[in-house]
Amino acid sequence: GNSVTQMEGPVTLSEEAFLTINCTYTATGYPSLFWYVQYPGEGLQLLLKATKADDKGSNKGFEATYRKETTSFHLEKGSVQVSDSAVYFCALSRTDKLIFGTGTRLQVFP
Amino acid sequence: DADVTQTPRNRITKTGKRIMLECSQTKGHDRMYWYRQDPGLGLRLIYYSFDVKDINKGEISDGYSVSRQAQAKFSLSLESAIPNQTALYFCATSEGSIYNSPLHFGNGTRLTVT
Repeated sequence: GNSVTQMEGPVTLSEEAFLTINCTYTATGYPSLFWYVQYPGEGLQLLLKATKADDKGSNKGFEATYRKETTSFHLEKGSVQVSDSAVYFCALSRTDKLIFGTGTRLQVFP
Repeated sequence: DADVTQTPRNRITKTGKRIMLECSQTKGHDRMYWYRQDPGLGLRLIYYSFDVKDINKGEISDGYSVSRQAQAKFSLSLESAIPNQTALYFCATSEGSIYNSPLHFGNGTRLTVT
């Protein structure tokens, strides 16, 4: 079946540290891949996406590359800020619906 | 004002009660969705609707029903609430296919069933 696996959190970092949140997927065919972010007390919002292999999605300093050979879509940021503290969800699209991972909480301390 | 509004924000109810969660949107989107969020399980799709006359079950529809009263309104009902329906519920909309149109989420309704 189709599924998304994310690294468990929380991920705890100091401000300006490098961030990686791992995401791997299982899917038939060629899904589109997404990262959504949920700030405290809010709903999710799209952070970035990639629609085909080797595409790189980027937004607000975050990047993720669609790796078909490793079925991965890891989220990275070179220098995190306290304001990046949130829960990050990896997701894939199948038959026009999104399948979400379990989410990874990121906590950034000054 | 929020583009996707969910009411109530918080609700505590007792086992066996009927409860309705409401969602309204001002984005003019045809597609609307109901998800529930549970710790360690992420978001799971309950029901979705691609237009006013279209209702589809998601992966966890048992125990829930929905009504699409208008393009802007999509309500979720629990006919007889049970404690394992305690969760954070999100309504979302999209303009079109999720391949090209992101989901826009409300701020959620926290439901507790005692």
